[in-house]
Amino acid sequence: GESVGLHLPTLSVQEGDNSIINCAYSNSASDYFIWYKQESGKGPQFIIDIRSNMDKRQGQRVTVLLNKTVKHLSLQIAATQPGDSAVYFCAEPYPGGKLIFGQGTELSVKP
Amino acid sequence: DTGVSQDPRHKITKRGQNVTFRCDPISEHNRLYWYRQTLGQGPEFLTYFQNEAQLEKSRLLSDRFSAERPKGSFSTLEIQRTEQGDSAMYLCASSDLGGTNPIQIQYFGAGTRLSVL
Repeated sequence: GESVGLHLPTLSVQEGDNSIINCAYSNSASDYFIWYKQESGKGPQFIIDIRSNMDKRQGQRVTVLLNKTVKHLSLQIAATQPGDSAVYFCAEPYPGGKLIFGQGTELSVKP
Repeated sequence: DTGVSQDPRHKITKRGQNVTFRCDPISEHNRLYWYRQTLGQGPEFLTYFQNEAQLEKSRLLSDRFSAERPKGSFSTLEIQRTEQGDSAMYLCASSDLGGTNPIQIQYFGAGTRLSVL
């Protein structure tokens, strides 16, 4: 079915630590995944994407890992900063381009 | 600002009233999407346009909801006879079909928060 879900609703980390946000998906035919960041009062903002023919993709301070065997992906944020506090969603494009979002993980960074 | 623009940012209405929201996509983006987001949840797809053609509507989009994109640029989402259950954030996103990347990243506006009393 159309389902992209997240393991944890909240995550609290200390400033400077690394953060790991997880996401499980159900459609084994999915070939593309996207991570969005949503700050309070704003719309989702694209962070990074990954195709199913990749296991890992790195951006600036962010890395996405994809494990197709267990249908799991994760977003790693290095040296987490207060500005990283937000809700993070994984999303999956379906035919036509509509995005199916998971519930989201709220990341809170403690100074 | 060349991002996706939504108006109004907030709308408070009484049950039974009609409301209309506007979305101005990024210039030249030919795809425009509407989503609804309730507190603590991810955005849920409502409908999308390619240019002026409405190509898909979610079953979430009841008969009280209608969306238009008459000239293939801005879009409006109207809710008739609003109900308290319509209270949510309504998000608009646009993307550029074509280009070198076959997967089109969607860029979101800040949303219109609707409160139905």
